[in-house]
Amino acid sequence: SAVISQKPSRDICQRGTSLTIQCQVDSQVTMMFWYRQQPGQSLTLIATANQGSEATYESGFVIDKFPISRPNLTFSTLTVSNMSPEDSSIYLCSVKGTGVETQYFGPGTRLLVL
Amino acid sequence: AQTVTQSQPEMSVQEAETVTLSCTYDTSESNYYLFWYKQPPSRQMILVIRQEAYKQQNATENRFSVNFQKAAKSFSLKISDSQLGDTAMYFCAFMVDSSYKLIFGSGTRLLVRP
Repeated sequence: SAVISQKPSRDICQRGTSLTIQCQVDSQVTMMFWYRQQPGQSLTLIATANQGSEATYESGFVIDKFPISRPNLTFSTLTVSNMSPEDSSIYLCSVKGTGVETQYFGPGTRLLVL
Repeated sequence: AQTVTQSQPEMSVQEAETVTLSCTYDTSESNYYLFWYKQPPSRQMILVIRQEAYKQQNATENRFSVNFQKAAKSFSLKISDSQLGDTAMYFCAFMVDSSYKLIFGSGTRLLVRP
């Protein structure tokens, strides 16, 4: 499985500001995903990060709030824009394994918005 | 739309004993995959076991095994010889072959007692 890192691991932010989360993979992968895990809840897919094109967002998530970049096959960023306390969550990136229909997850970024 | 249901919010088991976590799902798809992920307090999502829907044989990984009942749309996880390190949230998840997106259940919190 791929080794996935995320930066930052945690952050405390003021409402109205934006935070960019980075996801780095140690090998080239075709598909990368971003998930949100609200406190005490399960994971919800935000979007699929597409290399070289706009991300594909799930219902309830919009590009203006969660812009995503994927400049190459090993890196992606998720920005949480104009944050409010409701954005306090763990944000996780994942990748589809090469040659296997399985997703592997990064360690997550714990975000607290005050 | 696909849904995943975990009806046991919390479970508890004595160390060295066996515990079974339940999961049911709903889909009209014919090609899909099912997963159990573990999330310890460190929040890292760890793949426990994977099952292809087209395989009748139940998957096993050391102390972890599944009981996959396709007609009943049931996918339970059995943990044998429970260890203290098994204490975690366990999420059942579903992946459609065509999209590779994961849909998660609400999770079961497992406590292994010494």
